[in-house]
Amino acid sequence: DQQVKQNSPSLSVQEGRISILNCDYTNSMFDYFLWYKKYPAEGPTFLISISSIKDKNEDGRFTVFLNKSAKHLSLHIVPSQPGDSAVYFCAASGYEYNFNKFYFGSGTKLNVKP
Amino acid sequence: SAVISQKPSRDICQRGTSLTIQCQVDSQVTMMFWYRQQPGQSLTLIATANQGSEATYESGFVIDKFPISRPNLTFSTLTVSNMSPEDSSIYLCSFRDTGTGELFFGEGSRLTVL
Repeated sequence: DQQVKQNSPSLSVQEGRISILNCDYTNSMFDYFLWYKKYPAEGPTFLISISSIKDKNEDGRFTVFLNKSAKHLSLHIVPSQPGDSAVYFCAASGYEYNFNKFYFGSGTKLNVKP
Repeated sequence: SAVISQKPSRDICQRGTSLTIQCQVDSQVTMMFWYRQQPGQSLTLIATANQGSEATYESGFVIDKFPISRPNLTFSTLTVSNMSPEDSSIYLCSFRDTGTGELFFGEGSRLTVL
């Protein structure tokens, strides 16, 4: 049972424009969400996180938005750069639900065209 | 945050053999985990490596197939036993930063079983 879903396997964006990556979850007990970037032949790199007490968290070009009622989060990258081309995973965990177990989406491959 | 390294980074193995993957963190961490990423799939938690006691396995994973050691707070190993082509995956070591809650990954070990 996939509790975290990324329905877009790939996304192509022009350099300088906004990239929006989406993630949906089903478990209302999730209260902590993270985004990871993964290049080929490397491990996932932590990008940004958000807890359920917030609806937005920003770090430089990266902003994560959380819509708890819709069980949806998104990662915005502005402006997109060719070096952002990678696979992006969202992940979720719950303080009172398998606290140390993170549930990952299947990933979205972002291609930023120069 | 702590630096985490794995070896081997990749290997090609014959069916029926076993391979041990090592994970080293440059500082003591409480929680260490082993994940698997099968081709085109999401990251799946195999087990939590417990220091000084037996690992805690997730549903679908068993100790006989994936024995894990955690002799101290900086080191863990995962063995993939009696390998078959279905075990061809990227195996990732990770730890959780107890301060921030973030999950950090090693660079992964890409296993190909022929």
